[in-house]
Amino acid sequence: NAGVTQTPKFQVLKTGQSMTLQCAQDMNHEYMSWYRQDPGMGLRLIHYSVGAGITDQGEVPNGYNVSRSTTEDFPLRLLSAAPSQTSVYFCASRRGGGTNIQYFGAGTRLSVL
Amino acid sequence: GENVEQHPSTLSVQEGDSAVIKCTYSDSASNYFPWYKQELGKGPQLIIDIRSNVGEKKDQRIAVTLNKTAKHFSLHITETQPEDSAVYFCAASSNSGYALNFGKGTSLLVTP
Repeated sequence: NAGVTQTPKFQVLKTGQSMTLQCAQDMNHEYMSWYRQDPGMGLRLIHYSVGAGITDQGEVPNGYNVSRSTTEDFPLRLLSAAPSQTSVYFCASRRGGGTNIQYFGAGTRLSVL
Repeated sequence: GENVEQHPSTLSVQEGDSAVIKCTYSDSASNYFPWYKQELGKGPQLIIDIRSNVGEKKDQRIAVTLNKTAKHFSLHITETQPEDSAVYFCAASSNSGYALNFGKGTSLLVTP
């Protein structure tokens, strides 16, 4: 069972570079979301999607773009990386409805120099 | 929006003792309260959850209690073991919620 798969696991960028963090799930979940985790800040929601073609902003969306062209994939794009985006990024998915279990990927550790 | 507060931020116990982590939430519409364990270098994994129609749930050494009136819920780990050492997160959501709202986490250290 693959579950939620994130790639890459590690990435180093220079300020101003762009990149895409990939996330795929094989559980046919409607809801997908991206969080960033910083020391002492817990998990903060960046963007989320409730289905293919539908996305919305979370708590900390600035500097990030998302799209959801298929149920399975939910990539996170950094258009112009900044040192403040150095963080660990987690993708998650769940079935529709707020009381269903949310599953997480293993994370992408990003450093922006 | 929902605000989830978690205490303590760090907790150190001796092996065999109990550990208790407490969370409060602000949105009375929240009705789903999961707890996640995160080991170093890994993603959060669900260890137990509770829905608002239940006051307590237990799974072996782990239990969660919910007080809807006071808007707080707690994680109880009994007979702690060194492998329980990790960061624990509480969260809250509602039927219409699109994603979980997390507390800031508790770093639990169990010393032999």
